[in-house]
Amino acid sequence: GAGVSQSPSNKVTEKGKDVELRCDPISGHTALYWYRQRLGQGLEFLIYFQGNSAPDKSGLPSDRFSAERTGESVSTLTIQRTQQEDSAVYLCASRAPRESGANVLTFGAGSRLTVL
Amino acid sequence: AQSVAQPEDQVNVAEGNPLTVKCTYSVSGNPYLFWYVQYPNRGLQFLLKYITGDNLVKGSYGFEAEFNKSQTSFHLKKPSALVSDSALYFCAVRPYSGSARQLTFGSGTQLTVLP
Repeated sequence: GAGVSQSPSNKVTEKGKDVELRCDPISGHTALYWYRQRLGQGLEFLIYFQGNSAPDKSGLPSDRFSAERTGESVSTLTIQRTQQEDSAVYLCASRAPRESGANVLTFGAGSRLTVL
Repeated sequence: AQSVAQPEDQVNVAEGNPLTVKCTYSVSGNPYLFWYVQYPNRGLQFLLKYITGDNLVKGSYGFEAEFNKSQTSFHLKKPSALVSDSALYFCAVRPYSGSARQLTFGSGTQLTVLP
């Protein structure tokens, strides 16, 4: 597609449930990032995928958070046993290959997660 | 550790007046600076970036930003604000020699342009 697509746009869940958030990056973008945006705060880096390299998971806040990416396409962010503090907007971004000269992230509209 | 400060949570300006959204940063080495804008229910959109060269950078929608190395600032400006500019603005920095995963965002400034 023309942009980064995220689903669902809104998710309300009960504490303790697992949730999956999906990101479809721009075709041809080798790099993919997940960020968390809590109300009134800046973006927190969660995880980064680059091609077939091992992902950089340094931003994941706990072992309840995990993410996968199939090749250079779709990525899924999974939060297990959700807690109320997980409530936030989860943003996905992708970036074209470095050799293309573009070094700007393109963001999706985000998935708003509310944990009751 | 690098950081970005956007000292104003909210900026209000009348339509037609000039606007400034402030950003200061701290980073090791030379900075790679960005401004992004977020409209309601939309993802962040890239506005402009500074790498090297001219300290005044021009971007999308008539916005520009001035890099000031001595003050470690990268304030976003527009000569004449429009109501449609009302949105949440984020400043971001990473080391020039680093990678995008080192990008650090400010907490955002809500700009409201009053008709």
